[in-house]
Amino acid sequence: DAGVTQSPTHLIKTRGQQVTLRCSPKSGHDTVSWYQQALGQGPQFIFQYYEEEERQRGNFPDRFSGHQFPNYSSELNVNALLLGDSALYLCASSFGEVGYTFGSGTRLTVV
Amino acid sequence: LAKTTQPISMDSYEGQEVNITCSHNNIATNDYITWYQQFPSQGPRFIIQGYKTKVTNEVASLFIPADRKSSTLSLPRVSLSDTAVYYCLVGDGTGANNLFFGTGTRLTVIP
Repeated sequence: DAGVTQSPTHLIKTRGQQVTLRCSPKSGHDTVSWYQQALGQGPQFIFQYYEEEERQRGNFPDRFSGHQFPNYSSELNVNALLLGDSALYLCASSFGEVGYTFGSGTRLTVV
Repeated sequence: LAKTTQPISMDSYEGQEVNITCSHNNIATNDYITWYQQFPSQGPRFIIQGYKTKVTNEVASLFIPADRKSSTLSLPRVSLSDTAVYYCLVGDGTGANNLFFGTGTRLTVIP
């Protein structure tokens, strides 16, 4: 039974560019949440998707957007990248609010 | 959302029992207490969850006093592989309350 899968594992982008990160939830999970984790800090909640809708959002600007597909997979898009967007981006899937399972993350470096 | 306070770091020798305490003075009646473990460049991993008194599983114990304003994660006989960051989270697990992480406790196990 595959856990949460995130791709890519690492990528480097230039300031001002746009990036798309992908997440496949654990089998049986229907909810996907995204987190940003800066070096030395705890994960910070970006938003959560359920039934292809953004259900809850943290304190992140509109440059951060997402999407959930009918198969429950999800994408995180970040526009107009800033140096401060460099972080580990984590995806967590759950069945509703039960059984949060995290992926290993995507390490984004903005130069 | 109930705020949590944990020690920033702890050191322990291999084979010792480690207790990490978390303060959550504003915990609500419906809130559960959940602990996660995170290794570098990996997503957080669920360790244990409880509401009151004591909960034990194969990896840890969670002690919660009657007033529930604090909790203690107990790791028996730690090994080098237990070196990680440990996060205490408080929430009621409903749609209006997602996972909010603090800065966690960095545990270093010394040979």
